[in-house]
Amino acid sequence: EAGVVQSPRYKIIEKKQPVAFWCNPISGHNTLYWYRQNLGQGPELLIRYENEEAVDDSQLPKDRFSAERLKGVDSTLKIQPAELGDSAVYLCASTVISGANVLTFGAGSRLTVL
Amino acid sequence: AQSVAQPEDQVNVAEGNPLTVKCTYSVSGNPYLFWYVQYPNRGLQFLLKYITGDNLVKGSYGFEAEFNKSQTSFHLKKPSALVSDSALYFCAVKDNQGGKLIFGQGTELSVKP
Repeated sequence: EAGVVQSPRYKIIEKKQPVAFWCNPISGHNTLYWYRQNLGQGPELLIRYENEEAVDDSQLPKDRFSAERLKGVDSTLKIQPAELGDSAVYLCASTVISGANVLTFGAGSRLTVL
Repeated sequence: AQSVAQPEDQVNVAEGNPLTVKCTYSVSGNPYLFWYVQYPNRGLQFLLKYITGDNLVKGSYGFEAEFNKSQTSFHLKKPSALVSDSALYFCAVKDNQGGKLIFGQGTELSVKP
């Protein structure tokens, strides 16, 4: 089966520009996560969806970040406007249900803000 | 609040020697514990998990981990390291009531021939 698909893999933008990342989870996975990974650090949770509902967005900087998961399948993470400190890898992961099930990660989208 | 600590930024091992990557955690209730590996420019790959039962968990690529409740630790081990094991390793914890998976800072494993 296809894994978690993310695009774009790489994005370079200037500060104050908008950027969007897309994630297609594994078919049938109802739980979707967006993580941010700074260089040399562990992933930090931004938002978690159960189907189309955001059940944990406490770590999402809502002044500039937004996310949606229409129809409980694909998801988009947007940053507007981007700041220098947003340079990171944005990881999407999915799993069948929450609990002890294993998250499957995509390859990530590397953002560089100049 | 949940937390995970990986006290070593880097672990260096000679090929063929045993390796240990350390992890301690803090969580309310019984934890679900995971190890993931990340190769350069790749996403995280699952290695193994502990939910309940036997404290020694076996996973992919010959890795295993030992759950120690009294020491709140979940160290990753392998009896004989390979050069191809060189990568970034992350420990993660989830409490058994919520869905938030918290990662440690990561440990870079370097295996030299």
